[in-house]
Amino acid sequence: QSALTQPASVSGSPGQSITISCTGTSSDVGGSNSVCWYQRHPDKAPKLIIYDVTNRPSGVSSRFSGSKSGNTASLTISGLQTEDEADYYCASYTASRTTIFGTGTKVAVL
Amino acid sequence: QVTLRESGPALVKPTQTLTLTCTFSGFSLSTSGMCVSWIRQPPGKALEWLARIDWDDDKYYSTSLKTRLTISKDTSKNQVVLTMTNMDPVDTATYYCARMTPITAFDYWGQGTLVTVSS
Repeated sequence: QSALTQPASVSGSPGQSITISCTGTSSDVGGSNSVCWYQRHPDKAPKLIIYDVTNRPSGVSSRFSGSKSGNTASLTISGLQTEDEADYYCASYTASRTTIFGTGTKVAVL
Repeated sequence: QVTLRESGPALVKPTQTLTLTCTFSGFSLSTSGMCVSWIRQPPGKALEWLARIDWDDDKYYSTSLKTRLTISKDTSKNQVVLTMTNMDPVDTATYYCARMTPITAFDYWGQGTLVTVSS
């Protein structure tokens, strides 16, 4: 099972909005409402920022939002801040009850 | 307060078996819906899901690694153990354990343990 496909890097200026895509198949992203996103700063453990496609855990900024269309999920970061500079990974629960991660996207704040 | 901590050897030789232990607190793996997964990240590469054990002792493995992996739990000790056989230098990575709840997302992670495979 191949990793979900994400762009290697996305950049934006402070205050801008950026969107990260995550493309899978009908066996994972397309067939699952359990798509989530993680933020990982260097030398830190990943942090859950979106679950079940659109939901934010308590304490996560409303600047982070998720969506899905067909086999592609997306994470949008609005009002980009320097602290958002990190790696972002999508993940999907699959039809076989396993989990598959995306290839990861490095976000740079210019 | 939920915490998870990974422990195990920092260095293993090729062909050896790796045994990692995840010790957790703040929840019980006998509670319906609770699960613990192992995930790894090789240096400079992406996260890779390895295995999961559920509260009812169901086990799930990465398709590409399932012949090498075994996951087990000791509910009384609040521990989950992962063994990986026939280690290779490409298995060098930071290994994480993480909790999964019925929302099927990893809401708490350990800090990770770096395992280097080298002779």
